Amino acid sequence: DGGITQSPKYLFRKEGQNVTLSCEQNLNHDAMYWYRQDPGQGLRLIYYSQIVNDFQKGDIAEGYSVSREKKESFPLTVTSAQKNPTAFYLCASSGQGDGQPQHFGDGTRLSIL
Amino acid sequence: AQSVTQLGSHVSVSEGALVLLRCNYSSSVPPYLFWYVQYPNQGLQLLLKYTSAATLVKGINGFEAEFKKSETSFHLTKPSAHMSDAAEYFCAVTRWAGYSTLTFGKGTMLLVSP
Repeated sequence: DGGITQSPKYLFRKEGQNVTLSCEQNLNHDAMYWYRQDPGQGLRLIYYSQIVNDFQKGDIAEGYSVSREKKESFPLTVTSAQKNPTAFYLCASSGQGDGQPQHFGDGTRLSIL
Repeated sequence: AQSVTQLGSHVSVSEGALVLLRCNYSSSVPPYLFWYVQYPNQGLQLLLKYTSAATLVKGINGFEAEFKKSETSFHLTKPSAHMSDAAEYFCAVTRWAGYSTLTFGKGTMLLVSP
């Protein structure tokens, strides 16, 4: 079955450490997205990519970085500059064009050691 | 910029009662609107979407939503709540015409009591 795979499901970060969250999709979608979810805050957009080798900052990009070298993959790095990284991170993808729904992975929960 | 307001961070109903979750949007372009559901520690699952074909949209699990342009609303309803409907529900609107980037509301947690 087609879908989006996020790994790991749980991740712990030490102070001053960068960590990378994986997101892979086999839906042949052009667009991919990263969201951060905190209780009571809804989903906030970190980065998005409409096409390979191109990506744009979302609403809360500071302290995060991404790459889009392959259509199937959109990894997110949480850098040491992100001072409050504890959250639930969700990756999504969609087809191009108006009204295409986003499909979500099952998320990665990041905590600070 | 597009925005979404979901009234009520928590809604409580009894099993068998009507479910009504409210969503109002602001949009300077004809919007596409979505409702998603999230169970604990999982991703979001699409319930239904409005894409201008019909104002009353039917989704999965017996949910439906009505698009009312005059009220800028897209409220989610279900005639009879089931215990399995307990989850968090998110309303979302497309940010720009021609793309699928979304703005999400802050969510409404639906609590269902026996």
